[in-house]
This record gives sequence, structure tokens and C-alpha cells, in this order.
Amino acid sequence: EADIYQTPRYLVIGTGKKITLECSQTMGHDKMYWYQQDPGMELHLIHYSYGVNSTEKGDLSSESTVSRIRTEHFPLTLESARPSHTSQYLCASTAFSSGRWETQYFGPGTRLLVL
Amino acid sequence: AQKVTQAQTEISVVEKEDVTLDCVYETRDTTYYLFWYKQPPSGELVFLIRRNSFDEQNEISGRYSWNFQKSTSSFNFTITASQVVDSAVYFCALSEVADKLIFGTGTRLQVFP
Repeated sequence: EADIYQTPRYLVIGTGKKITLECSQTMGHDKMYWYQQDPGMELHLIHYSYGVNSTEKGDLSSESTVSRIRTEHFPLTLESARPSHTSQYLCASTAFSSGRWETQYFGPGTRLLVL
Repeated sequence: AQKVTQAQTEISVVEKEDVTLDCVYETRDTTYYLFWYKQPPSGELVFLIRRNSFDEQNEISGRYSWNFQKSTSSFNFTITASQVVDSAVYFCALSEVADKLIFGTGTRLQVFP
């Protein structure tokens, strides 16, 4: 079982507010990811990180930003939330082992509703 | 280009029925990985299986089994004797370097008592 945590699990917030979604893992994994998923739809990669001080944009453009100051922590921030940001956000992590990246393990997700 | 197709949007079965979820993939690479994840109503994504392109052996884990066929670019997932707890959305995914996943659109499975 993967040890990857996300808080909050649910968030309802008004337009214009700044929010930070937390993600942390205790497995010492190097690489971490953020995916966005609309209800009933596929997952889209929005950010990833290879390690401390490394952040990259994913395949889906997002107004959110991320940081990676510690290996275990990969928060996602929206400076000014809008209704179009309403979605589920899933965090994942993986390790590099024996010359390859291992399976991605996912956190429980944060369901965001912006009013 | 990589692509994963899950043509079945939604499947409904009655408990104890067997059900197969289809997954067809496209890739130009000879080395790639295939995955199945389960997403129950609570929202988390649960890893079920990972297969690399060199291992075409079918796999069985309890009531779950997977049929990987490179000739048809398919990686189908069968649940035997389905149970209500199997109700979830199931995602098939492909990766060419095992760290960047391309997901299918998912198949919603509803198992009725």
C-alpha cells in the first residue's frame, strides 16, 4: 500500500481565493506528479517533478503552480481560484530503481469546487 | 504517438457474472508498460497491475485476470464472479518510459446485487 497523502480531501471555496493543495509521501520517491481529472473523465498530467528544486509542466496547460523544496512534499497552488478550476486533483509518486521508473502510486485526491 | 482506447464507457452486470474490460493501445516503441488502475467512488486511484512489453504471460490474481496480446495491441481485464465492491471506474494506461502515463477514458463498471 502506498504512503501518499493529500489534504484537504474536499474543498469548497469562493472565486478569487488563493488555495494550496498539499501532497506528501513517505516513500522517499524522487518523482512526483499532479493530475487533473474532471468527473468521469480521464486523468491529465499538469505538473511533475524529478526531485528537489525541479518542476515541469505536464501535457495539460494549467494556471496552477507547484514547488518542490523537500523530497516528500509537492504542493500545488492556485493564486486566484475560478469556477473553471473545479475538478479533482490527484497526486502521485514513483521511484527510480534498477535503471527504470517504477509504478506510479496515487494519493486519495482533492475534490475542489470553486463557487 | 501513444494512445489508449477503452471503447466501453459503461458496463452493468449482476453479481456473480464474469465481465471483461477491453483496452487497446497504440505505441511505436518496442519497450513499453501497461497498467490497470481502479477508481472507486471515493476517488483514489488504486494500482492493480503493471506489465512490460516483453512479458506476454497472462496473469491471474484471485478473481482478476489479465490477457495481454501484442498481436492485437490489447490488454484486457476480466473479473470473474463479480461483486458489488467491484463497482468502480477502471483505467488502462500506457507508458513508454514507465514514468509518464497515458490514460484511457476509463470504463465505469456497475455491479448490481
